[in-house]
Amino acid sequence: GQQLNQSPQSMFIQEGEDVSMNCTSSSIFNTWLWYKQDPGEGPVLLIALYKAGELTSNGRLTAQFGITRKDSFLNISASIPSDVGIYFCAGQETGRRALTFGSGTRLQVQP
Amino acid sequence: SAVISQKPSRDICQRGTSLTIQCQVDSQVTMMFWYRQQPGQSLTLIATANQGSEATYESGFVIDKFPISRPNLTFSTLTVSNMSPEDSSIYLCSVDARGGSGYTFGSGTRLTVV
Repeated sequence: GQQLNQSPQSMFIQEGEDVSMNCTSSSIFNTWLWYKQDPGEGPVLLIALYKAGELTSNGRLTAQFGITRKDSFLNISASIPSDVGIYFCAGQETGRRALTFGSGTRLQVQP
Repeated sequence: SAVISQKPSRDICQRGTSLTIQCQVDSQVTMMFWYRQQPGQSLTLIATANQGSEATYESGFVIDKFPISRPNLTFSTLTVSNMSPEDSSIYLCSVDARGGSGYTFGSGTRLTVV
């Protein structure tokens, strides 16, 4: 099935730094979603994007739905220790209700 | 968004046995999905659970190994049959509660097969 390329695989940053991660696909997606997963928990939805070009914020998080509908990015500004976790992008293709997930970005924040 | 209760949260099972995982949602939902997350990996869709009809399985997953029930619009079960250590994973239930905009996940079932 469709694969999403997510990068980077991991990041180790200092508290207060900004972070950026992105996902690309070879086909068009109708919806892009960004999730965070903490150890022992299921993924929690951070931001959902529904239109090409859409830019949406949720607190210190900002995500954009690429104009080509084949990519999306997530920015985290002024990182804090509780931002630690694994971030996944996910997309929904035309005619398919289930989500396809990226490989994840593991974020570590040094206090 | 919908609230999902998934159980058990974890289990350690013997090789060759089966485990049934339950997913209960606090509202009626059209579609429920079952995902597997192998250690250190991303989420892979196992199947879509349809109310009133058979589940739709993804390539690489078969009904004999992962039978699914969906008796009503708020409940589903996934059984992992004849388990082997390779089945050790986190199994996650997800629902699409608002026509594509409300994908929510349960907290998962961490399965270890010994």
